[in-house]
Amino acid sequence: GENVEQHPSTLSVQEGDSAVIKCTYSDSASNYFPWYKQELGKRPQLIIDIRSNVGEKKDQRIAVTLNKTAKHFSLHITETQPEDSAVYFCAASNKAAGNKLTFGGGTRVLVKP
Amino acid sequence: NAGVTQTPKFQVLKTGQSMTLQCAQDMNHEYMSWYRQDPGMGLRLIHYSVGAGITDQGEVPNGYNVSRSTTEDFPLRLLSAAPSQTSVYFCASSRQGLDSPLHFGNGTRLTVT
Repeated sequence: GENVEQHPSTLSVQEGDSAVIKCTYSDSASNYFPWYKQELGKRPQLIIDIRSNVGEKKDQRIAVTLNKTAKHFSLHITETQPEDSAVYFCAASNKAAGNKLTFGGGTRVLVKP
Repeated sequence: NAGVTQTPKFQVLKTGQSMTLQCAQDMNHEYMSWYRQDPGMGLRLIHYSVGAGITDQGEVPNGYNVSRSTTEDFPLRLLSAAPSQTSVYFCASSRQGLDSPLHFGNGTRLTVT
């Protein structure tokens, strides 16, 4: 089955700096890659997603890039703010596995003011 | 719309007890799923449903049962609770499949002693 590894597990950045989280996946047939943000004690919420026919997607300060050849995708947060502090999860799914999502282990991001 | 509603928020069980975690959604989504969240392991799929009357197993189904008699409700049953089932449980729904944006409930924190 699919295996998704996420790095780093914790990330501390200064407010205003950029944060990058990287995920690698094992199944080359995977075709959908969402990112979820989970604030402390809250539910995960989708922040951005990308499909395998697209190499990059942006939404304001957030961007996701996909490298299908290397089987990795990354989340980029620019101009970080204290409200970006949360746990971020990547995931991957593919049709052969019934489109089920496999999640990475999560990255705890702390933005220091 | 209330979105996805889970009850209870907290539950303590003794080993061997049974209980049902409730999940309801008011968005008329066909797809519903249950995940468990454990530290460092992301979210793991327990069971899912692609519509009323149809359920299937996810990554970690043992010890859990589900049914889907209506579009709105997707309860998760623990048959005989074990300490290994101590976790936070999230129910999610999606409109277009498991590989589309998931709408999560607020979660149920379960402790089995």
